[in-house]
Amino acid sequence: GAGVSQSPRYKVAKRGQDVALRCDPISGHVSLFWYQQALGQGPEFLTYFQNEAQLDKSGLPSDRFFAERPEGSVSTLKIQRTQQEDSAVYLCASSEGPSTGSRYRQPQHFGDGTRLSIL
Amino acid sequence: QKEVEQNSGPLSVPEGAIASLNCTYSDRGSQSFFWYRQYSGKSPELIMSIYSNGDKEDGRFTAQLNKASQYVSLLIRDSQPSDSATYLCAVRASGGSYIPTFGRGTSLIVHP
Repeated sequence: GAGVSQSPRYKVAKRGQDVALRCDPISGHVSLFWYQQALGQGPEFLTYFQNEAQLDKSGLPSDRFFAERPEGSVSTLKIQRTQQEDSAVYLCASSEGPSTGSRYRQPQHFGDGTRLSIL
Repeated sequence: QKEVEQNSGPLSVPEGAIASLNCTYSDRGSQSFFWYRQYSGKSPELIMSIYSNGDKEDGRFTAQLNKASQYVSLLIRDSQPSDSATYLCAVRASGGSYIPTFGRGTSLIVHP
């Protein structure tokens, strides 16, 4: 596809329900990132994949958060037993990946995000 | 802990003026610096990237980097109402984590 695609765009769930958020990165992009963005704040890192390997999950706020990218393309962020503090915009970003020589110069390409509201 | 600091604003400038947005960072090992623009309800989009000390110009935008003082700035010349958005600074260190750290963003309002 032309850009990073996220679905759904909006999700409303009751406290305690499980939710799954999907990210379809730019074709061929090796690196995939998940961020959480609260209102008026910058994106906060959640987790990072290189192909199917989850290399960093240090930003996941609790064990209720789980992410996977089983085939190295589409990724899913799952939140179990949702709480009100989970309400935020969840952004997915992709970049070409660390295999190139200028990997630290690669920008990230973001999707439009999923706005999650927990009632 | 790596920190990226931005004044949340809002920064209000008249149309046609120069808008100056600033960002400071704590990690001296930082090597790559990015400015993203984010309209309300939209995704961040890359405006500028800079890697070396000095200025980098692209159209109405100029990024300035001073590694000794650990700050990076974005100048927007001839500001337009369509420039009204939140500007995010992102910093990535080499030799370590590949993951950029974002500031909280500065809200810019350009009024006619």
